[in-house]
Amino acid sequence: DVVMTQSPLSLPVTLGQPASISCRSSQSLVYSDGNTYLNWFQQRPGQSPRRLIYKVSNRDSGVPDRFSGSGSGTDFTLKISRVEAEDVGVYYCMQGTHWPLTFGPGTKVDIK
Amino acid sequence: EVQLVESGGGLVQPGGSLRLSCAASGFTFSSYSMNWVRQAPGKGLEWVSYISSSSSTIYYADSVKGRFTISRDNAKNSLYLQMNSLRDEDTAVYYCARESYDSSGYDWGQGTLVTVSS
Repeated sequence: DVVMTQSPLSLPVTLGQPASISCRSSQSLVYSDGNTYLNWFQQRPGQSPRRLIYKVSNRDSGVPDRFSGSGSGTDFTLKISRVEAEDVGVYYCMQGTHWPLTFGPGTKVDIK
Repeated sequence: EVQLVESGGGLVQPGGSLRLSCAASGFTFSSYSMNWVRQAPGKGLEWVSYISSSSSTIYYADSVKGRFTISRDNAKNSLYLQMNSLRDEDTAVYYCARESYDSSGYDWGQGTLVTVSS
């Protein structure tokens, strides 16, 4: 199975400041069709997960442009340019290239 | 608006069975693959099972293989998860999720809680 690791696991941030979460996979996530199936999900307290980013860097509809994704191969990053109070929650990367689908352990973002 | 509504969760004894349902609306259900994903209390997300749009392809996590069965009824816009031989470690909120890798979104239901305990 592809193991997804995230760092840090806890990220206290100051409102208005940037934040960055790293996600690494144990194997390349490049699929035979040339796409890289790496998603980022946000789970606010008490809510269901919500996808923010698909295929590494594509922002979902309605996702603020302060969220961006980057990376390639086995190394990926989610960045929040200026953290707002509504960004508090747990962020998960998930790979969809290999079966079984696997999630990272999650990064808890809260406000300092 | 896409809506996914899970039901069927509850308290069950170890070794028991439950059948979860997910009612879909707001999109062409028969065109999308679906997943079940679970989250144990205070823990992260764990993928459980996948079914393609036509049911031709099905996958399971090793942790549930041989005990859980995923199915769908496209005429009823519904997804199911039959869970047998339940164990304490199956206790979790179970979410159904519409899979996509494009701009149409990757939508989740509100989840249904399954508690396995004697």
